[in-house]
Amino acid sequence: AQKITQTQPGMFVQEKEAVTLDCTYDTSDQSYGLFWYKQPSSGEMIFLIYQGSYDEQNATEGRYSLNFQKARKSANLVISASQLGDSAMYFCAMREGSDYKLSFGAGTTVTVRA
Amino acid sequence: NAGVTQTPKFQVLKTGQSMTLQCAQDMNHNSMYWYRQDPGMGLRLIYYSASEGTTDKGEVPNGYNVSRLNKREFSLRLESAAPSQTSVYFCASLRGVMTFFGQGTRLTVV
Repeated sequence: AQKITQTQPGMFVQEKEAVTLDCTYDTSDQSYGLFWYKQPSSGEMIFLIYQGSYDEQNATEGRYSLNFQKARKSANLVISASQLGDSAMYFCAMREGSDYKLSFGAGTTVTVRA
Repeated sequence: NAGVTQTPKFQVLKTGQSMTLQCAQDMNHNSMYWYRQDPGMGLRLIYYSASEGTTDKGEVPNGYNVSRLNKREFSLRLESAAPSQTSVYFCASLRGVMTFFGQGTRLTVV
């Protein structure tokens, strides 16, 4: 069963606008962690932001914020003030409970237009 | 990421050949992972190691074996390569929330 679902294969956004990338997850554990990563066309994987299941506040890291809705099991990434360098593939991932297994979604490609 | 080193960066194998992908991290992380990424797709977990001395299967373990040699090193072995194993392979390490990835190995099996 798919643990992490990213339903948007690709998105276009105008430079300086905000964009929201959807991520829903499936787990029966009470303790889990949610991650977002960026993969530019060069291929490297870059960690962006983390949200723990017990964290009451939404995580933020610079222009990245995570909109965590626990009851809906969603962990959407918001990129504010998009820049051309934000064009990349973005992956949502989850680590469940005490198991250190880290599973990824299929990813969303973001293209920022000037 | 200087912290996770993967070798080789590129490899071409003939069907049936074997090889080992090497991964080492110098950050004293307990957890290490091997993923494969096929074109336009996400990362699929092959094997992972929560700590030195333990390994577990991920989503797509068939055709692969791993060794967690020590805390630093986690290798991935293809015993008899098949064209379906053509992919980009990533090693990663994790401690707390910080995740670091190697630069990837582009493997082609002909």
